[in-house]
Amino acid sequence: AQKVTQAQTEISVVEKEDVTLDCVYETRDTTYYLFWYKQPPSGELVFLIRRNSFDEQNEISGRYSWNFQKSTSSFNFTITASQVVDSAVYFCALSGRRDMRFGAGTRLTVKP
Amino acid sequence: DAMVIQNPRYQVTQFGKPVTLSCSQTLNHNVMYWYQQKSSQAPKLLFHYYDKDFNNEADTPDNFQSRRPNTSFCFLDIRSPGLGDAAMYLCATSTTGTGNSPLHFGNGTRLTVT
Repeated sequence: AQKVTQAQTEISVVEKEDVTLDCVYETRDTTYYLFWYKQPPSGELVFLIRRNSFDEQNEISGRYSWNFQKSTSSFNFTITASQVVDSAVYFCALSGRRDMRFGAGTRLTVKP
Repeated sequence: DAMVIQNPRYQVTQFGKPVTLSCSQTLNHNVMYWYQQKSSQAPKLLFHYYDKDFNNEADTPDNFQSRRPNTSFCFLDIRSPGLGDAAMYLCATSTTGTGNSPLHFGNGTRLTVT
């Protein structure tokens, strides 16, 4: 069975702080894919990043960075110098051959 | 811009009154999905179409049906909505439906059942 755990239900930070969103997953598949999505108040989930199970390289995209560690089954997401526009619910997701399973999400509030 | 469009944005229906939610896509993706998202919860997959091939999740209630008349459109029919069916319904597409294919979501339809 596949499972994604986002232990942080809500996080609140002040603008310009760095913040890390945690994601821990469980799967028996040897090949799998991990994703992060952002859901702003408008409701649409926006794809941010995909990682496959054979690629543990960390990735940086502007203020966003992702740390994938198979040894701890974690795929954490860090926002550097957070901005008010980063306020949203962030979902981590896991996919095997077909279905995508989402974690419960972390609501991030960035205060000015 | 290519996109996934859901109509209406907000839908109010009465208890037991059938309702249909619609989704269209201009991405020409093979796979279309319907997710149900209740407040502060993860999106839950209801079913998906791989082209015309319908795939139902084991725990999706019989009350929920879907139609995909062509590549661009997909409908979610709720035959007899209950109060527990109030939720955001999200339509999504992907190119191949395989694990590495990210989902492209619409804005969702928020369903209220009175």
